[in-house]
Amino acid sequence: DIVMTQSPLSLPVTLGQPASISCRSSQSLVYSDGRTCLHWFQQRPGQSPRRLINDVSNRDSGVPDRFSGSGSGTDFTLKISSVEAEDVGIYYCMQYTSWPHTFGQGTKLEIK
Amino acid sequence: EVQLVESGGGLAQPGGSLRLSCAASGFSFSGSWMSWVRQTPGEGLEWVAHMNYDGSEKYYVGSVKGRLTISRDNAQNALYLQMNSLRIDDTAVYFCVAWSPPHSHWGRGTLVTVSS
Repeated sequence: DIVMTQSPLSLPVTLGQPASISCRSSQSLVYSDGRTCLHWFQQRPGQSPRRLINDVSNRDSGVPDRFSGSGSGTDFTLKISSVEAEDVGIYYCMQYTSWPHTFGQGTKLEIK
Repeated sequence: EVQLVESGGGLAQPGGSLRLSCAASGFSFSGSWMSWVRQTPGEGLEWVAHMNYDGSEKYYVGSVKGRLTISRDNAQNALYLQMNSLRIDDTAVYFCVAWSPPHSHWGRGTLVTVSS
């Protein structure tokens, strides 16, 4: 199974400041068709997860442009340009290059 | 409005069975891959099972193979998870997830507790 490792696991951020979450996979996430199969999800307290970023860098519908994704191969990053109060929650990366699809451990973002 | 409503969770004894259901509406169910993803209390997310549009392809995480079975009824816009030989470590909130490109939709989840 592909292991997804996120860092940090806890991320205290001051409102208005940027935030960055790293996700590393134990093997390349490039699929045979050339796609890189990585999504980012946000789970706010008491809510279900929702996808923020698909295929490394594409924002899902309705996702604010302060969220951005980047990376390639085995190293990926989710960035928030200016953290707002509604961004509090847990962020997960997920690979779907191979089965079983696997998630990172989650990064808990909180406001300082 | 997209809706995924899970039901069927509850308390089961080790070795027992439960059948989860997910009622879908507001999107093309028959055009979507469907999954069950679980989250243990206070822990992270684990993909459990995954199925293509017509059920001809199914995938399971190793720990549930032979015990949990995913199925769907496109005429009823419904997804199911038959859970047999339940173990204590199956205790989790089970989410129904739809992959309807370019969208991903999640239900609110149903809690399964396995305890004697």
